[in-house]
Amino acid sequence: QQQVKQSPQSLIVQKGGISIINCAYENTAFDYFPWYQQFPGKGPALLIAIRPDVSEKKEGRFTISFNKSAKQFSLHIMDSQPGDSATYFCAANKAAGNKLTFGGGTRVLVKP
Amino acid sequence: EPEVTQTPSHQVTQMGQEVILRCVPISNHLYFYWYRQILGQKVEFLVSFYNNEISEKSEIFDDQFSVERPDGSNFTLKIRSTKLEDSAMYFCASSVQGGTEAFFGQGTRLTVV
Repeated sequence: QQQVKQSPQSLIVQKGGISIINCAYENTAFDYFPWYQQFPGKGPALLIAIRPDVSEKKEGRFTISFNKSAKQFSLHIMDSQPGDSATYFCAANKAAGNKLTFGGGTRVLVKP
Repeated sequence: EPEVTQTPSHQVTQMGQEVILRCVPISNHLYFYWYRQILGQKVEFLVSFYNNEISEKSEIFDDQFSVERPDGSNFTLKIRSTKLEDSAMYFCASSVQGGTEAFFGQGTRLTVV
């Protein structure tokens, strides 16, 4: 019940295209859903996060869509750039929770 | 911009030896965490620490592991007797409060030989 399932495992997109990464969770106690971006040899960097009281959040080219009834959320990267090539992790945490449960990661490659 | 700093960036140790990984969390943060990432795999939670005690730990965090906040700025992870399977990237993170944005350090790559 603690799992967060992420798909796809890898993604190739052309420059200017849209990257879409999906995550599904089981634990209805999860209340906070961040996305992290990780470059090789670096730590995860917080990209954008959402709580279940909204269905969508947008920051620049990054948008989270959240479907509470389906227990799914997704990251859309608009106008993808080669510099966006990285591994993206979704995660979930409970309200006032003390641990993030991460998805398996999606390796995104943006071709010029 | 405040950041979580970790030292060393890379540690090589003999199997059975003790290692201490060090972290300086962001100064006004109250919650501290250790995560690990085996090469190419997902990030796994190890332990969270608040108010000078462990608030939650995973099954991975067995008796070989311990954490400490020896002073007002450092947060350490000790592995008493390292095993080959402890080889991984270890990330420290901190947050202002639970259930909010957690910021990660650059990691310590631990190699057990």
